[in-house]
Amino acid sequence: AQKITQTQPGMFVQEKEAVTLDCTYDTSDPSYGLFWYKQPSSGEMIFLIYQGSYDQQNATEGRYSLNFQKARKSANLVISASQLGDSAMYFCAMREAWMDSSYKLIFGSGTRLLVRP
Amino acid sequence: NAGVTQTPKFQVLKTGQSMTLQCAQDMNHEYMSWYRQDPGMGLRLIHYSVGAGITDQGEVPNGYNVSRSTTEDFPLRLLSAAPSQTSVYFCASRQTGGRYVGNTIYFGEGSWLTVV
Repeated sequence: AQKITQTQPGMFVQEKEAVTLDCTYDTSDPSYGLFWYKQPSSGEMIFLIYQGSYDQQNATEGRYSLNFQKARKSANLVISASQLGDSAMYFCAMREAWMDSSYKLIFGSGTRLLVRP
Repeated sequence: NAGVTQTPKFQVLKTGQSMTLQCAQDMNHEYMSWYRQDPGMGLRLIHYSVGAGITDQGEVPNGYNVSRSTTEDFPLRLLSAAPSQTSVYFCASRQTGGRYVGNTIYFGEGSWLTVV
């Protein structure tokens, strides 16, 4: 069964420094997708970045990049030049891809990031 | 852009009461789903729908009903609320059409439900 593990319940980072949030996954499906979402204190879920299992290059979106190591089954989120507004809960998620209509998104338990000024 | 709209944002229920969480999207997305978020457990899928008239169960469907009479709306019903259903509920939608279509999932802002 698919599973997402985030082992860091909470992290601190100094403003303007880079930070890596860990995510490991488990799936037997050769075709899958990995997502990162940000949830600020206001509660909404904000899509950050996506990586497909067949994508040759690591995904990047502005200050966000995904360090995808397929053999290790890890999909770590790297935030460069942290800002105070980055303080939030971050979720890693994976989608089942064997049948599009069953598209279920499995979430990890999240990592709370606090950016220090 | 409205996106995904959930109502109400906050609700307190007594055990045994029923209520409906509303979800509407204006992006013509075929796929809609409901998640609940509990501390330390991430989000868990309750029910989902791949189009009008089609619904299916997710990981934690017990105690919840859904229907999809239109593409736009996907209400979640609690028939007899229990304290275990105290949670934050998120509605989400996306396009369908293939493995690489609809990778962006749009979430509503969440509904905080307390059952006392």
